[in-house]
Amino acid sequence: KNQVEQSPQSLIILEGKNCTLQCNYTVSPFSNLRWYKQDTGRGPVSLTIMTFSENTKSNGRYTATLDADTKQSSLHITASQLSDSASYICVVSDRGSTLGRLYFGRGTQLTVWP
Amino acid sequence: EADIYQTPRYLVIGTGKKITLECSQTMGHDKMYWYQQDPGMELHLIHYSYGVNSTEKGDLSSESTVSRIRTEHFPLTLESARPSHTSQYLCATNGGLAGETPTDTQYFGPGTRLTVL
Repeated sequence: KNQVEQSPQSLIILEGKNCTLQCNYTVSPFSNLRWYKQDTGRGPVSLTIMTFSENTKSNGRYTATLDADTKQSSLHITASQLSDSASYICVVSDRGSTLGRLYFGRGTQLTVWP
Repeated sequence: EADIYQTPRYLVIGTGKKITLECSQTMGHDKMYWYQQDPGMELHLIHYSYGVNSTEKGDLSSESTVSRIRTEHFPLTLESARPSHTSQYLCATNGGLAGETPTDTQYFGPGTRLTVL
């Protein structure tokens, strides 16, 4: 069964600290993996997208890594800010259909305290 | 910033009412999607469209219906709302033709928070 599991479910950190969010997936075949940021009451916004051949990709203070062999990804946030408080969703796409089906994780709820 | 709009943003309505959630985009994207999301849960695909006059049901069974008469509009309709329909509904688009390329990204609207009393 194709699944995307994220950990931790929730995380609280102090402003200025770093944190790492985890994503494990069993989706096969694999096309790409994306990390989205979803603010409360808003739609998700794409942070990074990585294909099979990419190991790391950065977007400002966000750095995503991908290990396609172990089917694991992480999102590292450096020097956290209050505005980083949001849900971070891992999304994996297969290439088994013309739709390019997406599998969503439940997200990690990050709270940054001052 | 993706140009995708949803109205209304919030809707509280009584059981049995007919409602239409609007979604429009100005990017000219062929593919559009409707997702349902409950708090703390993953997004579930309920409808999608490859283009005008193309609509398909998604993974999650839904009593809603959709139409795609114009590229830029993808409205979702509930003929008779029930409390079980209370949820957040997210509209999304994906650039390019059918057959997603690895670099395509889904752009999401701000969502409609529906509450059925």
